[in-house]
Amino acid sequence: VQLVESGGGVVQPGRSLRLACAASAFTFSSYGMHWVRQAPGKGLEWVAVISYDGSNKKYADSVKGRFTISRDDSKNTLYLQMNSLRVEDTALYFCAKLSSGTNPGDYWGQGTLVTVSS
Amino acid sequence: SYELTQPPSVSVSPGQTARITCSGDALPRQFAYWYQQKPGQAPILVIYKDSERPSGIPERFSGSSSGTTVTLTISGVQAEDEADYYCQSADSSDTYRVFGTGTKVTVL
Repeated sequence: VQLVESGGGVVQPGRSLRLACAASAFTFSSYGMHWVRQAPGKGLEWVAVISYDGSNKKYADSVKGRFTISRDDSKNTLYLQMNSLRVEDTALYFCAKLSSGTNPGDYWGQGTLVTVSS
Repeated sequence: SYELTQPPSVSVSPGQTARITCSGDALPRQFAYWYQQKPGQAPILVIYKDSERPSGIPERFSGSSSGTTVTLTISGVQAEDEADYYCQSADSSDTYRVFGTGTKVTVL
């Protein structure tokens, strides 16, 4: 299983960025997928989840209304559209298939760094 | 918002037992998961569904649950176990996931 994030970079506050996560070697379309972030020197923070069929999406309060999670199963790719970025959004962003009660497999990418700075 | 609380740090001598707690109101109703994270690396799942151990994880890692507290136990700690450990679970309505505050395990 491989998850590879891309799209990170340096962006000014208020601007937008779209992250992508390319999945391979597992049945991407069968699983809900998550974004998790980690600010420099800080702990893990769950950001968002999308259901296996894309019909259900949930967000952390800290990003609700600014970030949008989506998926394209034809490309085995997960996305995170980030708008109105803030300095506090600076973090390493991981995509992950997290273990659950029915699906114990747990897979993470290596992350893509987003830096919000003027 | 829902929170999972862990002690900031635990120190243990090699060969001894480390216990890391995680407290949260929804833990009696939601499974807990434990992750190990070393510097510069993605987290690795060491316990799922409160007490199950993924393949490839050493038997010295175990998990337990009692009421609103779950515990990760590392028996016979080795130097390579020095890392940050995070619990993870869902809120009571299973709407979103949350990670614990994290515990740094130091092997003396």
